[in-house]
Amino acid sequence: NAGVTQTPKFRVLKTGQSMTLLCAQDMNHEYMYWYRQDPGMGLRLIHYSVGEGTTAKGEVPDGYNVSRLKKQNFLLGLESAAPSQTSVYFCASSFRGTGELFFGEGSRLTVL
Amino acid sequence: DAKTTQPPSMDCAEGRAANLPCNHSTISGNEYVYWYRQIHSQGPQYIIHGLKNNETNEMASLIITEDRKSSTLILPHATLRDTAVYYCIVRSQGGSEKLVFGKGMKLTVNP
Repeated sequence: NAGVTQTPKFRVLKTGQSMTLLCAQDMNHEYMYWYRQDPGMGLRLIHYSVGEGTTAKGEVPDGYNVSRLKKQNFLLGLESAAPSQTSVYFCASSFRGTGELFFGEGSRLTVL
Repeated sequence: DAKTTQPPSMDCAEGRAANLPCNHSTISGNEYVYWYRQIHSQGPQYIIHGLKNNETNEMASLIITEDRKSSTLILPHATLRDTAVYYCIVRSQGGSEKLVFGKGMKLTVNP
């Protein structure tokens, strides 16, 4: 039982490049979330999903896209990376309607 | 805007109880109080939540005032590993209500 797994854990991109962060959970959770955390800040919600095939915008969705083709996976895409997207990205999952989220270990992204 | 107010930091001696305060004066009747913590750069970890009754689990106790405008998270015997940023969050139960994290409070447990 791995919980929530994020790949990759570290990545360096050049401005304008694209990439995808993968989040996988093995707890059969319905809800999945992508947050970003900048130095000295709390977590800000980018996008979330309440079920397979559904996605919704959070607080800071601009510049990101997401997909939830399978219940266990939630992908976060950056089509054209910008230095402002340098951050640590956390994925989380939960059962429907609960506030008990399980977080991954984070993915540190640097955009040069 | 964050619905909770926490002091930015506090210290505690190892082995003593750590009492972490949180104000949530605008909390609604259907909103729960959640506590999470984030150790160093790891992902946040759920600790406990409650509505109006006091709650206890293997990690901590949550004391909510009768008017529900504030709460206290109690770590009964703080250890060095409890050094972390602690987040107090209010959230409605059910539906797709999201967790909104503020800046939290840095607890430093000193030897």
